[in-house]
Amino acid sequence: DSGVTQTPKHLITATGQRVTLRCSPRSGDLSVYWYQQSLDQGLQFLIQYYNGEERAKGNILERFSAQQFPDLHSELNLSSLELGDSALYFCASSVEIPDTQYFGPGTRLTVL
Amino acid sequence: AQKVTQAQTEISVVEKEDVTLDCVYETRDTTYYLFWYKQPPSGELVFLIRRNSFDEQNEISGRYSWNFQKSTSSFNFTITASQVVDSAVYFCALSSLGDSSYKLIFGSGTRLLVRP
Repeated sequence: DSGVTQTPKHLITATGQRVTLRCSPRSGDLSVYWYQQSLDQGLQFLIQYYNGEERAKGNILERFSAQQFPDLHSELNLSSLELGDSALYFCASSVEIPDTQYFGPGTRLTVL
Repeated sequence: AQKVTQAQTEISVVEKEDVTLDCVYETRDTTYYLFWYKQPPSGELVFLIRRNSFDEQNEISGRYSWNFQKSTSSFNFTITASQVVDSAVYFCALSSLGDSSYKLIFGSGTRLLVRP
């Protein structure tokens, strides 16, 4: 157990819908990263927050957004979902930058 | 550009065999970090090791060992006396100073199957 929690574990929804994935970092970790794992793209960085502020963006679609709250938990919002958004979404956290990133168990999103 | 290449897509061995997973990286930065993560069938990503670019000393942890060679830009991972529980997908990853986010750049992974 890495100490990073993600909810829900599984999510099945329809095209065009909106979902929110939640991540709680390890106690004391200030930085949160979101990654997407899909069969065709592999593991890709989406976005990073550090102590409530957006730090960096990767190949994140405009339909996707995220935020980190004062208690340091983070949410990833995916809207206007498409079939191709089906993937495993990971959250990772680290104490500082740079530091080892510890991953949560992931949220498996299926868009039908 | 930063890149990680894991040329071995899938490896199959019989239990107790030794196996080496290859990782080749590319970066122009002089300060960088290399990682190995394990993804068992249950799906989570488990951290195994982190090395920084200034420390080329090889590391051994039980049956696991890592060989870091800057001259060949490689960071290979060896499992000695493999066990069925080692069956998983293994990812090599890179993060560097040139990108202030220190995001992880992952290789495509190597699927290891250890047969009894």
